Amino acid sequence: DVKVTQSSRYLVKRTGEKVFLECVQDMDHENMFWYRQDPGLGLRLIYFSYDVKMKEKGDIPEGYSVSREKKERFSLILESASTNQTSMYLCASSLRGLALHEQYFGPGTRLTVT
Amino acid sequence: AQKITQTQPGMFVQEKEAVTLDCTYDTSDPSYGLFWYKQPSSGEMIFLIYQGSYDQQNATEGRYSLNFQKARKSANLVISASQLGDSAMYFCAMREGNDYKLSFGAGTTVTVRA
Repeated sequence: DVKVTQSSRYLVKRTGEKVFLECVQDMDHENMFWYRQDPGLGLRLIYFSYDVKMKEKGDIPEGYSVSREKKERFSLILESASTNQTSMYLCASSLRGLALHEQYFGPGTRLTVT
Repeated sequence: AQKITQTQPGMFVQEKEAVTLDCTYDTSDPSYGLFWYKQPSSGEMIFLIYQGSYDQQNATEGRYSLNFQKARKSANLVISASQLGDSAMYFCAMREGNDYKLSFGAGTTVTVRA
């Protein structure tokens, strides 16, 4: 079974702190994604990566950056956390290629910025 | 413009009854895929079913079926014989062309009553 793990289930940070959210997948997937989930808005794509060191902006990249130094690991970075970044963050991975390949999701990290 | 629209924020269904979750989509790409995911209270997104735009038949997976009406651009999920464990949030999502990204709807919360 594909397994996508995220470093923390719950995280509380202060405004202005630098925050790292880590995601690891164990199925050699090429694609990895970071979403944020907010009530009434569904999931919105922040960044995705289709290969090591490759990244593309999603729909809401402002205030975030990412790093992919190894194929299995995709990190989301909040350079200076703000209260409007309080949200649930979901990581996902998928195979490259055929469009029918679904994305596999991690359990999510609920981040609170105070 | 919203690519995926789910108009039902919440629904109640009696155990053992069927429930239909609405999803409409908007794309000009002739090649696309439609996905449904389930998110229980634990937070992890679980893939349920997939329908490709060129598929001739409606997709089915166990108690889940997808009512695909291409001309109306709708892809409703039908859950038959509802169980208490079906209580969750359900998301409709779309991938267009060869894009790796998914666009998600706002989700529908289903509560199954005993």
